[in-house]
Amino acid sequence: SQQGEEDPQALSIQEGENATMNCSYKTSINNLQWYRQNSGRGLVHLILIRSNEREKHSGRLRVTLDTSKKSSSLLITASRAADTASYFCATLTSGNTGKLIFGQGTTLQVKP
Amino acid sequence: NAGVMQNPRHLVRRRGQEARLRCSPMKGHSHVYWYRQLPEEGLKFMVYLQKENIIDESGMPKERFSAEFPKEGPSILRIQQVVRGDSAAYFCASSPTMGLAETQYFGPGTRLLVL
Repeated sequence: SQQGEEDPQALSIQEGENATMNCSYKTSINNLQWYRQNSGRGLVHLILIRSNEREKHSGRLRVTLDTSKKSSSLLITASRAADTASYFCATLTSGNTGKLIFGQGTTLQVKP
Repeated sequence: NAGVMQNPRHLVRRRGQEARLRCSPMKGHSHVYWYRQLPEEGLKFMVYLQKENIIDESGMPKERFSAEFPKEGPSILRIQQVVRGDSAAYFCASSPTMGLAETQYFGPGTRLLVL
């Protein structure tokens, strides 16, 4: 079964609002990463958080990790129309050979 | 420093033909990963290779699919006797080493359509 599950599956907000996406996983992890994918394009790495970290910031992005609940959240503040994309969490599990296990993704639409 | 290169970007094949997808990792990267993305889904791991070695092929279908990463040249994902269900986007990623905090850098993908 899929390691990561994200919610919501789809999110539509107005420009300037904040967007929050959540990701849950099942097994122990080494790190969790968030990627963005624009329609029909490749993936862009956004941010990586290690299992011993609880929160990380990068520009307008804020990621939290709760290993006790096996969950993470991605917050995009002051959203822009250009943030419209699909967002995926991916986990690198403990003892893993390096393969990332992706969630199903959240499709974000930011209306101008 | 060029990113991960994949070609072709789009590939159309008829059922029964072979598909060859190429991936050139970023300069200095010796680890290559292949993932498949079906429409409206997340990426699914297929195979992890280092130069001349397959490290983990647990996500590869047992038949018709093979991958290599030779000493010289790009990594190749080969699909023999393609079927309609092989239609998907295939992404390659690379990393300099396989470490706990290593980021994988993704290519633009090859979109395979099987008619």
